Amino acid sequence: AQKVTQAQTEISVVEKEDVTLDCVYETRDTTYYLFWYKQPPSGELVFLIRRNSFDEQNEISGRYSWNFQKSTSSFNFTITASQVVDSAVYFCALSEASPGSARQLTFGSGTQLTVLP
Amino acid sequence: DAGVTQSPTHLIKTRGQQVTLRCSPKSGHDTVSWYQQALGQGPQFIFQYYEEEERQRGNFPDRFSGHQFPNYSSELNVNALLLGDSALYLCASSRFFSPYEQYFGPGTRLTVT
Repeated sequence: AQKVTQAQTEISVVEKEDVTLDCVYETRDTTYYLFWYKQPPSGELVFLIRRNSFDEQNEISGRYSWNFQKSTSSFNFTITASQVVDSAVYFCALSEASPGSARQLTFGSGTQLTVLP
Repeated sequence: DAGVTQSPTHLIKTRGQQVTLRCSPKSGHDTVSWYQQALGQGPQFIFQYYEEEERQRGNFPDRFSGHQFPNYSSELNVNALLLGDSALYLCASSRFFSPYEQYFGPGTRLTVT
């Protein structure tokens, strides 16, 4: 069975600080995808990134960066120079991708990020 | 290009009643998945529809049922509502052969009293 753990329930930072959101996953599949979503108070899930299990390159997109480490089953998300607009709940998710696998998204419990001005 | 739409936005029902939620997928998508998100938790997979059939199902009782129409839109039905069914219900659409690009709708907030 697949499982995603986000141990940080809530994080509060002051604007312009860097912040890292942790994600640890479990799966028996050798082929899988990992995701990060942002959920603002409006409730809609906003897609941020997708990585497949064969691509361990870290990725940077503007102020966002992601660190994927298969050896520790982690897919952490860093926001550099945080802004008030980054305040939201962030979810890490996993989808198994081998033939015959379930393919639905399994989400972690989310991390509430609050950026104070 | 319209994204995923859901209706209604909010709904209040009484225990024991039945409810129907609706979802229209993004243009070009043929697969609809439903998720339940209880307060303070991550979304949990309910089921997925493709070609008007339920293809996958999560750990939800038979009180939760669905339907997909020829135009790919979908309904989620919940019978005999319980207080614990109060949640945000999210619909996600994708293409069946590209399942890892799921787009989510704004959700329907269901409150059971």
